[in-house]
Amino acid sequence: DAGITQSPRYKITETGRQVTLMCHQTWSHSYMFWYRQDLGHGLRLIYYSAAADITDKGEVPDGYVVSRSKTENFPLTLESATRSQTSVYFCASSVGTGVTEAFFGQGTRLTVV
Amino acid sequence: DAKTTQPNSMESNEEEPVHLPCNHSTISGTDYIHWYRQLPSQGPEYVIHGLTSNVNNRMASLAIAEDRKSSTLILHRATLRDAAVYYCILRPSNAGKSTFGDGTTLTVKP
Repeated sequence: DAGITQSPRYKITETGRQVTLMCHQTWSHSYMFWYRQDLGHGLRLIYYSAAADITDKGEVPDGYVVSRSKTENFPLTLESATRSQTSVYFCASSVGTGVTEAFFGQGTRLTVV
Repeated sequence: DAKTTQPNSMESNEEEPVHLPCNHSTISGTDYIHWYRQLPSQGPEYVIHGLTSNVNNRMASLAIAEDRKSSTLILHRATLRDAAVYYCILRPSNAGKSTFGDGTTLTVKP
């Protein structure tokens, strides 16, 4: 299917476990982003990528690792999950920077117990 | 990073126009003004964006102040489906970083 897809949609994990959230886009957009949204709040940027093999930190990168070996994929890994990382995670992509719009996935609801 | 300020909530009656304000007094010359909206349990959806001139599309209009320190999203005839959280964000033309605020929750009354 065309677009941007995230998997899984829901995930429950235990404190201390490693978990990877997947993001895949079919448009070959250069830019990809990871945001987290805590209950009742706006989105905060975790990491973003301008192209394959180019990533940079956002506002709240601690505890997260990203990679981008292929243009279409941008996985987000929580190396050792903590309860404070319980959140809804959104992936987004855009052709370029502010000149173009961004497209968001449906989100992954992660619960760390 | 430049920040935006929006009212926490606004109400509108169905089929009436809605003006959603956004202040961005620290905007830089390379920042585009973007608006997104988020329906419950969904990802944000693009609405409109602009740099200096007012913009219109099928969803809304964007009015940008002459000094670019504020903007207004205009929904010409609100429907119940327009009830959502609306985010005004600044996206630089030369970098990937952009910051969301907490947005404005729009309630549309029938």
